[in-house]
Amino acid sequence: SQQGEEDPQALSIQEGENATMNCSYKTSINNLQWYRQNSGRGLVHLILIRSNEREKHSGRLRVTLDTSKKSSSLLITASRAADTASYFCATGSSNDYKLSFGAGTTVTVRA
Amino acid sequence: DGGITQSPKYLFRKEGQNVTLSCEQNLNHDAMYWYRQDPGQGLRLIYYSQIVNDFQKGDIAEGYSVSREKKESFPLTVTSAQKNPTAFYLCASRTGVKLFFGSGTQLSVL
Repeated sequence: SQQGEEDPQALSIQEGENATMNCSYKTSINNLQWYRQNSGRGLVHLILIRSNEREKHSGRLRVTLDTSKKSSSLLITASRAADTASYFCATGSSNDYKLSFGAGTTVTVRA
Repeated sequence: DGGITQSPKYLFRKEGQNVTLSCEQNLNHDAMYWYRQDPGQGLRLIYYSQIVNDFQKGDIAEGYSVSREKKESFPLTVTSAQKNPTAFYLCASRTGVKLFFGSGTQLSVL
């Protein structure tokens, strides 16, 4: 079942700008992950944030989690053409090992 | 794509035909998954296996079958009962809570 929903569906930005996308989910979670998918390829894990964490950084990525609002955001700073991809949030609960994926945000970085 | 090999990259199915998608991993992971991706939609879980000789149905298992005879291999068969099989199929394995994906197989109907 799909739990996460990303917003916006698509985003177009200029190289060097920041890109922000959001994910909302419906039920309680144990962790939330973000993945990137380049066109026609598999997904690649970017970053994981656990339910007891509020913010996490990894390189140019910053993830926040607000469990009271059941939402997360992914910020990509100083975007590059290579950041052009679809980004998915995935939620996991403590009772099973199945991740639920949203429909993704497609990011286009213009040179 | 981190030790997960999917083949073939493109596959065409004739009406009434069963086809098998291959997924092999050399990451020594116990758990493996099959997802289906349609344009504009997220990934939907078809089947998953947490250990050899065991597997469970996901959210959209009808028309699909799997086997898990070896730790390294988790093939997916798309049967003739699956009436709308055109999609991008992704195989993944798991360590901890993170998934590692193959590069996918695009299945189309002739």
